[in-house]
Amino acid sequence: DIQMTQSPFSVSASVGDRVTITCRASQGISSWLAWYQQKPGKAPKLLIYAASSLQSGVPSRFSGSGSGTEFTLTISSLQPEDFATYFCQQAHTFPRTFGQGTKLEIK
Amino acid sequence: QITLKESGPTLVKPTQTLTLTCTFSGFSLSTSDVGVGWLRQPPGKALEWLALIYWDDDKRYSPSLKSRLTITKDTSKNQVVLTMTNMDPVDTATYYCTREIYSRSSFDYWGQGTLVTVSS
Repeated sequence: DIQMTQSPFSVSASVGDRVTITCRASQGISSWLAWYQQKPGKAPKLLIYAASSLQSGVPSRFSGSGSGTEFTLTISSLQPEDFATYFCQQAHTFPRTFGQGTKLEIK
Repeated sequence: QITLKESGPTLVKPTQTLTLTCTFSGFSLSTSDVGVGWLRQPPGKALEWLALIYWDDDKRYSPSLKSRLTITKDTSKNQVVLTMTNMDPVDTATYYCTREIYSRSSFDYWGQGTLVTVSS
């Protein structure tokens, strides 16, 4: 299985801040990476697919980059509704695997 | 409008078989490139992918759970069913049904999830 490792585990930030979350794959996955946002008690929501493609309806302050084994999710200017947990997921091979999550908290 | 909804028992006993049904609308599982899958999330933990079935009846399973899982589809009813045998308390989790577009290989629509507790 491909292992996905996110960093940091958690991050505290303020409204208006720029935040970057990193995801590393244990082997190359080309651009087969997705990012999700999950709020407490809710299902995850797809933000980014194919490493950098913005899912329809997702605000443009979210962006993704990377290829191979290292990827980033950037939120350019945090909004109050962005405080949540973020997961990466590799889509290169089966089984699909997820990172452990990064909790974004209000400072 | 695309929706998915999970249904099934909220409580099962150890060693029993869990059967979950995903009923979806707004798309067809006979359309090329479409798949429906199951994932789960134990309380406070990360997401775990379980199984996927595609429009062409190709089925994929988590290797660690493959011996316990069966996924089937009923295209006429817009339903996908997951069975998991020999349930254990460690299988307590919220189970999600999702749609995957194969060419994008990401889960673009999710059900609300259903919490399944395994306890005697």
